[in-house]
Amino acid sequence: SQQGEEDPQALSIQEGENATMNCSYKTSINNLQWYRQNSGRGLVHLILIRSNEREKHSGRLRVTLDTSKKSSSLLITASRAADTASYFCATGRSGGSNYKLTFGKGTLLTVNP
Amino acid sequence: EAQVTQNPRYLITVTGKKLTVTCSQNMNHEYMSWYRQDPGLGLRQIYYSMNVEVTDKGDVPEGYKVSRKEKRNFPLILESPSPNQTSLYFCASSSYDRVSYEQYFGPGTRLTVT
Repeated sequence: SQQGEEDPQALSIQEGENATMNCSYKTSINNLQWYRQNSGRGLVHLILIRSNEREKHSGRLRVTLDTSKKSSSLLITASRAADTASYFCATGRSGGSNYKLTFGKGTLLTVNP
Repeated sequence: EAQVTQNPRYLITVTGKKLTVTCSQNMNHEYMSWYRQDPGLGLRQIYYSMNVEVTDKGDVPEGYKVSRKEKRNFPLILESPSPNQTSLYFCASSSYDRVSYEQYFGPGTRLTVT
């Protein structure tokens, strides 16, 4: 079953604007990750935030995690046309000796020059 | 260069003809996984492996088999492909060191079953 659900499904902004994408999930997690995918290509890891962290930064990316609301957000500041891609959140859960990573359906971000 | 490779990249086959998609990683990762990606459904996990000879079902395992005889390889086997298995398939790997679970993805295999 899908664990993460991104919102919105699609987002179109102008270059230079900030883009915010949200992710909600249903059960407890160990970590939450964000990935980027350019059309038809493999996913690329952007950032990981652990369940005991509330905020993390990496370059122009800012991720927040609210475990009480079971939600996360990804903020891309000063967007560029090259940021155009699909963005996925993925929730990681450990159980015994197993580890499962579940992806959402993604947000398609279009940055217009 | 650290990478995950998949072969073939593109495959068109007919219903019922057994096929194998290979996946190999050169990062000595313990964890490997197969996903399929379909429009509107995102990525769904097919099978994953925590280490050699340890595999488990993901969310959509029906119609697929895997094996993990060596740490670097994790082939996906379709014994009798059907048209509903037409999809974009990704292999991924990660270290399972309880610190980072960042997954490295292969370039994808686009499979069409007619």
